[in-house]
Amino acid sequence: EDQVTQSPEALRLQEGESSSLNCSYTVSGLRGLFWYRQDPGKGPEFLFTLYSAGEEKEKERLKATLTKKESFLHITAPKPEDSATYLCAVQSAQGGSEKLVFGKGTKLTVNP
Amino acid sequence: ETGVTQSPTHLIKTRGQQVTLRCSSQSGHNTVSWYQQALGQGPQFIFQYYREEENGRGNFPPRFSGLQFPNYSSELNVNALELDDSALYLCASSRDRVSYEQYFGPGTRLTVT
Repeated sequence: EDQVTQSPEALRLQEGESSSLNCSYTVSGLRGLFWYRQDPGKGPEFLFTLYSAGEEKEKERLKATLTKKESFLHITAPKPEDSATYLCAVQSAQGGSEKLVFGKGTKLTVNP
Repeated sequence: ETGVTQSPTHLIKTRGQQVTLRCSSQSGHNTVSWYQQALGQGPQFIFQYYREEENGRGNFPPRFSGLQFPNYSSELNVNALELDDSALYLCASSRDRVSYEQYFGPGTRLTVT
């Protein structure tokens, strides 16, 4: 069964204090690994897709990397507006449907 | 380009009742997936529709059912509501079955009392 584990569950940073969020996964044939940002009471907002080990993608202060067993979301010099829950999800090649299997998320709080 | 929209925003129902949630997919997308997100949890896959047919289902009982219409909008129906059905229901659309990027709507918050 496909599984995604995110750590830490919660992270508090001071503005400008860089850090990383971890997503470890087990999946039968990885089609893609996805990062989403979710604000309270809202739908997840798409950030990145990573398809193969060694791949990296960047967007503003965020950089996502992928290995064969985990992905990292690096946040450089975060600002208070980066506060949100960050969700990781994997898509398996099995089954034929394009379902996403999500982790529970990391709740990030950036203090000014 | 219009994003994914969902209605209603919030809904309060009584245990045993039935509910219908609606989703309009993003322009150009023909695949819709539904997810249930309990408080403090990640979204869980309910089912997916591709060109009006169910294309995969998660571990949800048959009282969760759906439809997709010719314009690719979709409905999620839940019968015999239980207290544990209280959650945020999310709809996501993608360009087609083999497109991996799913874009989510704002969700419908369902409360069952």
